[in-house]
Amino acid sequence: ETGVTQTPRHLVMGMTNKKSLKCEQHLGHNAMYWYKQSAKKPLELMFVYNFKEQTENNSVPSRFSPECPNSSHLFLHLHTLQPEDSALYLCASSQVGNDSPLHFGNGTRLTVT
Amino acid sequence: EDQVTQSPEALRLQEGESSSLNCSYTVSGLRGLFWYRQDPGKGPEFLFTLYSAGEEKEKERLKATLTKKESFLHITAPKPEDSATYLCAVRRDNYGQNFVFGPGTRLSVLP
Repeated sequence: ETGVTQTPRHLVMGMTNKKSLKCEQHLGHNAMYWYKQSAKKPLELMFVYNFKEQTENNSVPSRFSPECPNSSHLFLHLHTLQPEDSALYLCASSQVGNDSPLHFGNGTRLTVT
Repeated sequence: EDQVTQSPEALRLQEGESSSLNCSYTVSGLRGLFWYRQDPGKGPEFLFTLYSAGEEKEKERLKATLTKKESFLHITAPKPEDSATYLCAVRRDNYGQNFVFGPGTRLSVLP
């Protein structure tokens, strides 16, 4: 596996379900990110982890709960979501301290019914 | 407020018809402007980073340029496989990894 991998690729869940999104990066980076991409809107930063420590939380509702057990893995735990949370959730990684761009996975397409 | 806008929202070109996409930004402390390509159902793929006004980068049929207020992505003699959404983003500081994205330009190249 190379780059940034996300699972599952597609997820349909009801509003009362609990599910988790998984991200793994194989680039040796030390920062990981969750972004939300909705139709016709710019990418919205949700969470940033530098060296496994959360450094940003962009006023994200508590029904989204991130977890970063090490610098290669990132999770997004979901519970009691709303239909407006349906979107493409993208994970990215970068190397903090140099000019590294973000490297993205292919995302999880989430549909909340 | 830091802001990134892109124009046009959508662009349809005939194969071989060259054109340019625009990315305008207002940000304090620019620490890099990034171009990405995104295909349907996939994540954004990194293309270029530009740091200072006057800088240019090229890759195949694409050339990115930067001024103090905007960046252009020039597409020369495009092919249908260049069809994608092109995103630009700016980074505001070196350490915080604080990126602001534009809404993208959806490019269609017709054979």
